Amino acid sequence: GENVEQHPSTLSVQEGDSAVIKCTYSDSASNYFPWYKQELGKGPQLIIDIRSNVGEKKDQRIAVTLNKTAKHFSLHITETQPEDSAVYFCAATSNFGNEKLTFGTGTRLTIIP
Amino acid sequence: DVKVTQSSRYLVKRTGEKVFLECVQDMDHENMFWYRQDPGLGLRLIYFSYDVKMKEKGDIPEGYSVSREKKERFSLILESASTNQTSMYLCASSVGQHTGELFFGEGSRLTVL
Repeated sequence: GENVEQHPSTLSVQEGDSAVIKCTYSDSASNYFPWYKQELGKGPQLIIDIRSNVGEKKDQRIAVTLNKTAKHFSLHITETQPEDSAVYFCAATSNFGNEKLTFGTGTRLTIIP
Repeated sequence: DVKVTQSSRYLVKRTGEKVFLECVQDMDHENMFWYRQDPGLGLRLIYFSYDVKMKEKGDIPEGYSVSREKKERFSLILESASTNQTSMYLCASSVGQHTGELFFGEGSRLTVL
């Protein structure tokens, strides 16, 4: 089955700086890579996703890059703001057969005012 | 907006008790999921259901069972709670089985004494 590793487990950045969270996956058949954000006391919420037919996707201050050859993908947050403080989860799966979504272990991002 | 409601935010139970965690979604989603969230382990899939009365095992089904008698409701059952089942439990629903957006509830934190 799929194995997703996520680094770092904790990350602190100054407000206004950029934050990068990296994930690697093991199954070369994986082709769908979502990122979820979990704020304190809430359930995770999808913030961006990418499919394997593109290498990068952006949505305002958030971007995700995918390197299929190296089997890794990253979340980039620019101009960080206090409301970006949360736990972020990457995940991977394929839409072949009945493969399940496999989550990384999470990154706790703290934005320092 | 999709709303996934988990009946209890906090529960304290004793070892050996039977525990029911209830989840209701209001968007007519076919797929529903139960995850367990533990620090350093991320989100792990316990069971999922893609239709009424249907269920599939996830990655960690041992010690759990589920029930889906109505499309909008998915219940997680701990037949005989143990201390190692102390955790945060998250319910989710989606349109797509594993490559669509997951909509999570706010979680149920279970403590087994």
